[in-house]
Amino acid sequence: DAGVIQSPRHEVTEMGQEVTLRCKPISGHDYLFWYRQTMMRGLELLIYFNNNVPIDDSGMPEDRFSAKMPNASFSTLKIQPSEPRDSAVYFCASKLNDGKGGKLFFGSGTQLSVL
Amino acid sequence: SQQGEEDPQALSIQEGENATMNCSYKTSINNLQWYRQNSGRGLVHLILIRSNEREKHSGRLRVTLDTSKKSSSLLITASRAADTASYFCATNSGSARQLTFGSGTQLTVLP
Repeated sequence: DAGVIQSPRHEVTEMGQEVTLRCKPISGHDYLFWYRQTMMRGLELLIYFNNNVPIDDSGMPEDRFSAKMPNASFSTLKIQPSEPRDSAVYFCASKLNDGKGGKLFFGSGTQLSVL
Repeated sequence: SQQGEEDPQALSIQEGENATMNCSYKTSINNLQWYRQNSGRGLVHLILIRSNEREKHSGRLRVTLDTSKKSSSLLITASRAADTASYFCATNSGSARQLTFGSGTQLTVLP
């Protein structure tokens, strides 16, 4: 298995532009998580899905952020419009439902820079 | 908010020495996990310890859990330069399916 695949690896954009981050989870995993990592705030959970359904989006900072999972093998995180404070590394992770809190498999992340 | 807080924030040791990192958390947990993150990479799961376990081993890793003190420690024995990375503890609590991560310990192993 190729693991969790994220694209792009790096994204540089200007303030006000729309940004779309993509994630392909490990085949067969039924949970998908989006995390954001910054030096100041560490790793923050933004949203997670179970069987393609959003379960908890309380970590999404504001309405500029949206996430979708149209099928079991693909998810997107969209920021529109982007702001400099959105600059961070965004990670996607997936896991298999094995009860409570099983181990996560992370992608390599998308380094987002908003100028 | 961060459930787990690692201590120290940074640790520098010589190759061959042991490295100990600590994690404290605030609420009751189902399990606690440790992850490693190499620079510019995603996190990699190292070990999981359940709330009814006190100690667990995996290769050169030893994890302890003290639920009365709400703390855990990760010991890496006979460290190698390749162990240089950030180490995070993560907790799972209640009926939640997600993990809450601590702020991490940056470990540097000098050759």
